[in-house]
This record gives sequence, structure tokens and C-alpha cells, in this order.
Amino acid sequence: DAKTTQPTSMDCAEGRAANLPCNHSTISGNEYVYWYRQIHSQGPQYIIHGLKNNETNEMASLIITEDRKSSTLILPHATLRDTAVYYCIVRVRASYDKVIFGPGTSLSVIP
Amino acid sequence: GAVVSQHPSWVICKSGTSVKIECRSLDFQATTMFWYRQFPKQSLMLMATSNEGSKATYEQGVEKDKFLINHASLTLSTLTVTSAHPEDSSFYICSARGDSLVNSPLHFGNGTRLTVT
Repeated sequence: DAKTTQPTSMDCAEGRAANLPCNHSTISGNEYVYWYRQIHSQGPQYIIHGLKNNETNEMASLIITEDRKSSTLILPHATLRDTAVYYCIVRVRASYDKVIFGPGTSLSVIP
Repeated sequence: GAVVSQHPSWVICKSGTSVKIECRSLDFQATTMFWYRQFPKQSLMLMATSNEGSKATYEQGVEKDKFLINHASLTLSTLTVTSAHPEDSSFYICSARGDSLVNSPLHFGNGTRLTVT
């Protein structure tokens, strides 16, 4: 799986958009970008994934650059419950390969 | 949607005893399960990969005789921490993968908090 780099921590004001960047410059053509988050003392929760087109679901939007070397997860209206560690992972979709987590970004949503 | 259930959610045991953690896939058959360990303020660290009916594959530095993994059925994998010591206190998380969900994201259990006194 390609390596990813994310900022260690970020703050966001409640009600504002949270934009979490991820660099994956060595991503392969068949690798998807996945985002998970982990709220304190819980298991990771899937958020969204994409290959090259921008994606949106009820939780977030995912913007992938045209060269696919980076992406941004957008939480459009952050709430206090969005405070969590966010992990960006790139991997082949139909794979049984192990998933290695990087340190992720610790997002603090501030009232 | 697919659900992965872990049990117990927390456990306290005395040093020297063994503890078993269960990971179940509730509505799909999990041919592969992953076990992670997480220390405070750190990321998830993969311990091992278990495939149904075969021996688990352990990551470097993880003692296979201490962390026994059994994946005897397509819906259940167990992690047994043998002769637990305080340094084994951690948050243990499992994840499951199945043929019916091979194109889906990984699903994770809610974790088990182990405290060894």
C-alpha cells in the first residue's frame, strides 16, 4: 500500500468546514483513497473513498487532485462530535492485504 | 450494513492470567480478520492477520505464543492474551474481510480495552 502523509493535528471552529489534507504521491493507478476516523476509545469508522473523481456522501466530501497525488477530506459543517483522529489510507479496493495505519490527523472541533 | 462485533468491550485481569477476546462478523462470512493493538495517543498497530482454517500471520515483533489467534469459523476469530502482564494493557481492535464484501471498505469492531493489574 502506498504511504500517506497527513498533518499531525488541526483545529476547526464548530459549524465551519474542516478540510483535512492527505499526500499520497506514490499512489498506483489501481489504488483507492480511503478515509476513516476514530473517535476516542472506539474502533475506526469508515467515512468515504474514491479513485479519481470527487465523491460525496452524507458524512463528507472527498476531493482528489487530477494527478491523484493528494486529496482532501471535507466535513462541511463540523460539530463537536467530529472531534477524532482521521486516517487517510490508499489501497487496492478488492484486496485482502493488510491495512497499515499511519499516525493520522487529530482534529479538534472547537466551540 | 456489515457489522463486526467484539466482546468484551473491556476487561480487567490479574497479571499472569489469560484473556480471550472475540471478534464476530454478524452478517457476512469473514475469510480474513485483522487484529490491531493501540496504545494511548498512538495509531493502530497491526498484530496479525488470520485466515479461516489456517494459521495466523504475525507481524514482526509480535509474539505468536503470547497472542494466540484462532479463526476456526467464517464468523469468529479469537485473540487470547496468554500470561498477561501490565505492559499488555492496551486497546485491541479487530477488522474483518469477506468475499461478499471484497469491494467494500474494511469494517472494524468497537475494540476491547484490556487492563492488566
